[in-house]
Amino acid sequence: KQEVTQIPAALSVPEGENLVLNCSFTDSAIYNLQWFRQDPGKGLTSLLLIQSSQREQTSGRLNASLDKSSGRSTLYIAASQPGDSATYLCAVRAEDNFNKFYFGSGTKLNVKP
Amino acid sequence: DTEVTQTPKHLVMGMTNKKSLKCEQHMGHRAMYWYKQKAKKPPELMFVYSYEKLSINESVPSRFSPECPNSSLLNLHLHALQPEDSALYLCASSFRVGLETQYFGPGTRLLVL
Repeated sequence: KQEVTQIPAALSVPEGENLVLNCSFTDSAIYNLQWFRQDPGKGLTSLLLIQSSQREQTSGRLNASLDKSSGRSTLYIAASQPGDSATYLCAVRAEDNFNKFYFGSGTKLNVKP
Repeated sequence: DTEVTQTPKHLVMGMTNKKSLKCEQHMGHRAMYWYKQKAKKPPELMFVYSYEKLSINESVPSRFSPECPNSSLLNLHLHALQPEDSALYLCASSFRVGLETQYFGPGTRLLVL
């Protein structure tokens, strides 16, 4: 069974810092990987989707990379802002069952002004 | 319109009540999903509908009954729930199952007394 782990569980940084969030998965047979942010008590907002054939995706200050063979993805946030404070979740979709979407438990980010 | 809407935002119900959660999207997506999320945990997949047909039921108790009346609407009927069913219920949609970004609604916060 696919296990998705996110480290660290929580992170607090001063505004302006660049930071990296990590996601690892045990089964490299994935179809794609998606990064989300979730504000407290709210739904999930999709940030970036990386197909298994891709190495990275960029959107604004966000850059996500994928190393499928080693079972790792990173989300890089440049010049962090207080508005980036949220929980960041990664989720992988199984290659053999598109219905299966496995979530990590998230990294709670606090960006201090 | 790139939005998934969910109603109600909050719901309090007794264990003998019958209630329904509603989810709607007008993006032309043909895959819709129900997730359950407990506090400080990642979302757990409950049901997947593809082209208005139930394609996944993740061993969810029968007190939860999904319904997809048309391609834009997804309901979750609740009956005889238990206090441990209290959670945030999230709806999501994607153009097709598996291949594209999932878009999430804001969720319904359910409290079972």
